[in-house]
Amino acid sequence: KNEVEQSPQNLTAQEGEFITINCSYSVGISALHWLQQHPGGGIVSLFMLSSGKKKHGRLIATINIQEKHSSLHITASHPRDSAVYICAGHSGGSNYKLTFGKGTLLTVNP
Amino acid sequence: DAGVIQSPRHEVTEMGQEVTLRCKPISGHNSLFWYRQTMMRGLELLIYFNNNVPIDDSGMPEDRFSAKMPNASFSTLKIQPSEPRDSAVYFCASSLTAAETQYFGPGTRLLVL
Repeated sequence: KNEVEQSPQNLTAQEGEFITINCSYSVGISALHWLQQHPGGGIVSLFMLSSGKKKHGRLIATINIQEKHSSLHITASHPRDSAVYICAGHSGGSNYKLTFGKGTLLTVNP
Repeated sequence: DAGVIQSPRHEVTEMGQEVTLRCKPISGHNSLFWYRQTMMRGLELLIYFNNNVPIDDSGMPEDRFSAKMPNASFSTLKIQPSEPRDSAVYFCASSLTAAETQYFGPGTRLLVL
């Protein structure tokens, strides 16, 4: 069983919509990463967080340690936000090993 | 800095051939990771180096895979002999320290026929 679960697997939105992608993780994950991968492209690290909230432009990531849950929000979505979003957790006890979720494919239509 | 550099970007080879993938991490980063990405299994860690020393190679599929990091600015991942099931995208990533943000290279798309 994967220790990091994402939902939804696929998400289609209209340009301008507010988007939320969810990530739940098991006990023992000490920090969470959000990654972005465009089709056929490389992987970009968006956020790393272990508590609270981080914001970068139109992207906001939150984490609730008690509920073992993190969300990635995109405000005023744009077609260029279309990508796969992956959450990954640092396994407790290992400061380097990431456990990856299966990704959420986001398509933003104009 | 140019970011993590990988070569080649694409590789097509025949079963049984040797394949060598190359990675140049970001200067000053002491941690280097090799990942494999497939549709079925997603991203998987193959091997992790810290200060050029292999720390965790538990993700290396089998003896056909080997990785080296002869110095702080260069690493290779070798598959010998290659098999069709090795077809995947191989990413190299580096980070300042093990627990910090990892910066990924553009990946090498490998197809073994």
